[in-house]
Amino acid sequence: DQQVKQNSPSLSVQEGRISILNCDYTNSMFDYFLWYKKYPAEGPTFLISISSIKDKNEDGRFTVFLNKSAKHLSLHIVPSQPGDSAVYFCAAGAGSARQLTFGSGTQLTVLP
Amino acid sequence: KAGVTQTPRYLIKTRGQQVTLSCSPISGHRSVSWYQQTPGQGLQFLFEYFSETQRNKGNFPGRFSGRQFSNSRSEMNVSTLELGDSALYLCASSAGQGDSPLHFGNGTRLTVT
Repeated sequence: DQQVKQNSPSLSVQEGRISILNCDYTNSMFDYFLWYKKYPAEGPTFLISISSIKDKNEDGRFTVFLNKSAKHLSLHIVPSQPGDSAVYFCAAGAGSARQLTFGSGTQLTVLP
Repeated sequence: KAGVTQTPRYLIKTRGQQVTLSCSPISGHRSVSWYQQTPGQGLQFLFEYFSETQRNKGNFPGRFSGRQFSNSRSEMNVSTLELGDSALYLCASSAGQGDSPLHFGNGTRLTVT
């Protein structure tokens, strides 16, 4: 039973445009959500997080939106850059950010 | 600040053997977690240690074990290796309180033949 789902295995976006990566979850106990970026042969790199008491969090070009009623979160990257090309994972935690359940990842390709 | 360091980067072992992986967390981080990444199952939580005590455990068999030392460094051990244990093993550290995020190392790639 996949509790965190990323239904799009891949996404291609033109440089300078917006990238929107989506994530759905089923466990109502999740109250903390994170996005990680992963390059080949490296570990995941933390990007941005959001607590369930918020519906939006921004950090530079990255914004995460949380819709609790729909159990859906999204990561917006504006403007997208070729260096953003990587696999993006969403993750969820219940009560802490330490025991995380990860989605299967979305490969983002930003075309120059 | 140095990041999370995992050694070795690559390992090749034979079925039935055992293996020990090492992780040095970010300085000041007291929580160390381990995750397994495989193409079929994705990233899955193994266990978490805080101040030398296992605080959380994922759904893995007892062949997978770990420990944490007083300097917060951690080791993970897998005994009686199976072909399905071939994976990327990732260690992550955090301050260990509240919503402090995990910071991952680059992993150890284990191949079991």
